[in-house]
Amino acid sequence: AQKVTQAQTEISVVEKEDVTLDCVYETRDTTYYLFWYKQPPSGELVFLIRRNSFDEQNEISGRYSWNFQKSTSSFNFTITASQVVDSAVYFCALSGPKAAGNKLTFGGGTRVLVKP
Amino acid sequence: EPEVTQTPSHQVTQMGQEVILRCVPISNHLYFYWYRQILGQKVEFLVSFYNNEISEKSEIFDDQFSVERPDGSNFTLKIRSTKLEDSAMYFCAGYRDPQETQYFGPGTRLLVL
Repeated sequence: AQKVTQAQTEISVVEKEDVTLDCVYETRDTTYYLFWYKQPPSGELVFLIRRNSFDEQNEISGRYSWNFQKSTSSFNFTITASQVVDSAVYFCALSGPKAAGNKLTFGGGTRVLVKP
Repeated sequence: EPEVTQTPSHQVTQMGQEVILRCVPISNHLYFYWYRQILGQKVEFLVSFYNNEISEKSEIFDDQFSVERPDGSNFTLKIRSTKLEDSAMYFCAGYRDPQETQYFGPGTRLLVL
């Protein structure tokens, strides 16, 4: 069975601080995909990144960066120089390789509150 | 850029009533999903649908739930007799190829009174 754990339920920072969100996953699949989604107060799920299990290169996109470490089954997400608009719940998710029924398993989410 | 759409955005219903939640996936998508999120909790998988049949369903997806894609465009989730605990946000998602990312609709917020 697949499992995603986001140990931090809520993080509060002051604007311009960096914030790192932890994600630890469990899977027996050798091929799998990891995701981060953002859920702002309006409720929709906004896709941020997808990473497959064979690509351990870290990625940076603007103020966002991701650190994938297969050895520790972690896929952490860092927001650099946080802004108030970054306030949201962030979900880490995992899917396996199955062609049909390739469902996402989500972590419990981390609420990020960025104060001005 | 094409988007997944869902209607209604909000629905209030009485316990025991039937509800139908509608989704219009992106036109070239082939795999479809429903997820739900009880307020303040994580997003949970309900069911996946491919080639006009259910490919996988969770324990949550009991006999009270059904899905169909009646006209090749709309993808619906029906709850036959709603319970208080069905109150949640319901998300539709889809993609064309398993190598791709699932894109989510904006959700339908269901409140059962």
